[in-house]
Amino acid sequence: GAGVSQSPSNKVTEKGKDVELRCDPISGHTALYWYRQRLGQGLEFLIYFQGNSAPDKSGLPSDRFSAERTGESVSTLTIQRTQQEDSAVYLCASSPGGSQREQYFGPGTRLTVT
Amino acid sequence: AQRVTQPEKLLSVFKGAPVELKCNYSYSGSPELFWYVQYSRQRLQLLLRHISRESIKGFTADLNKGETSFHLKKPFAQEEDSAMYYCALIGTSGSRLTFGEGTQLTVNP
Repeated sequence: GAGVSQSPSNKVTEKGKDVELRCDPISGHTALYWYRQRLGQGLEFLIYFQGNSAPDKSGLPSDRFSAERTGESVSTLTIQRTQQEDSAVYLCASSPGGSQREQYFGPGTRLTVT
Repeated sequence: AQRVTQPEKLLSVFKGAPVELKCNYSYSGSPELFWYVQYSRQRLQLLLRHISRESIKGFTADLNKGETSFHLKKPFAQEEDSAMYYCALIGTSGSRLTFGEGTQLTVNP
């Protein structure tokens, strides 16, 4: 079946602009996660959705970052007033939920802020 | 706080040699441990989870609670095993994955 998809695959933006990154999870997966990976660093957790609610937003680095999920499906991560330190690969993952905690990852969006 | 440590950023072995990728964790409880792998130009994919105690592509990993380790092993490395490997954990009350920084494995012919 179809895996997690993300769009765009690459995004180049100017400092100060807003960007939206999209994630389509695996159909039926109730849990959705956003992570980011900056160059030379490990993956950092950003936010977790269970259904349409976000019980854990603790990884969002600043109030310029926000995310929403609608219809227990698509999620959008928005970064306002982008800064150069926001340059990273943004990864989305989904999992079936409940006792099935393994996460399945999308291909990522490579964001470059110039 | 939960933490995963992979002490080797780079590991290079010859084809047919045994390989062990080290992973240590700190967590005050019983976490769930995973190994993820990322082949060149591919997405991150699940390789193993400790609770299923399975062998995938010849790899195994045993959770050692006493040593808080979850090392990944394969008796005979293949060139196609060359990839980036990440160890990760989920705590008992949470859902987020905490990742180590990864080990780049190169298997030489």
